[in-house]
Amino acid sequence: GQQLNQSPQSMFIQEGEDVSMNCTSSSIFNTWLWYKQDPGEGPVLLIALYKAGELTSNGRLTAQFGITRKDSFLNISASIPSDVGIYFCAGQRTSGSRLTFGEGTQLTVNP
Amino acid sequence: DSGVTQTPKHLITATGQRVTLRCSPRSGDLSVYWYQQSLDQGLQFLIQYYNGEERAKGNILERFSAQQFPDLHSELNLSSLELGDSALYFCASSVARSTGNTIYFGEGSWLTVV
Repeated sequence: GQQLNQSPQSMFIQEGEDVSMNCTSSSIFNTWLWYKQDPGEGPVLLIALYKAGELTSNGRLTAQFGITRKDSFLNISASIPSDVGIYFCAGQRTSGSRLTFGEGTQLTVNP
Repeated sequence: DSGVTQTPKHLITATGQRVTLRCSPRSGDLSVYWYQQSLDQGLQFLIQYYNGEERAKGNILERFSAQQFPDLHSELNLSSLELGDSALYFCASSVARSTGNTIYFGEGSWLTVV
């Protein structure tokens, strides 16, 4: 079953606002990945984090790998309508092992 | 385009039937993962193969089986289908970098059991 707690479950924001979501775990992960999924589509990789404390950006997206290796957050700055979708965090314990997913954060952006 | 190809994209079948879902991983990727996503649910890990061998098993039903072939494509077989098996089935493949793995998902196969 799921072992990652992702919050918030949903967010309703205005275009231009910044967004923050996070994932926490009771156990350590060596890799954190963030995905975005549109309805009926496959998850699209946004950012991959491989080192505790690592802060990585991809355009308006910034994600950090927590120092304890038990958490990660994703920030989206200056949101736009196409940011709408479900964002999933995923942790990987060891290289090549399965991903464990969070429950997802449903983001709605009002123009 | 992630480079992971899944077929078919949509499938409608009756209860009790058997279907096969196919996945072609990204070129050079040795690992293939299968995940199930039911309506409004997260992604549940089913099974992983690495270079033809089963590597890890998740909550995969006994009615389901998978294999990875020498050319690294993989098939997920679902038999004695029930209404509750209706879901999106995703395949993912991974590439190992010196820093860690990166895992890419296909577009999914949408199975509807009626």
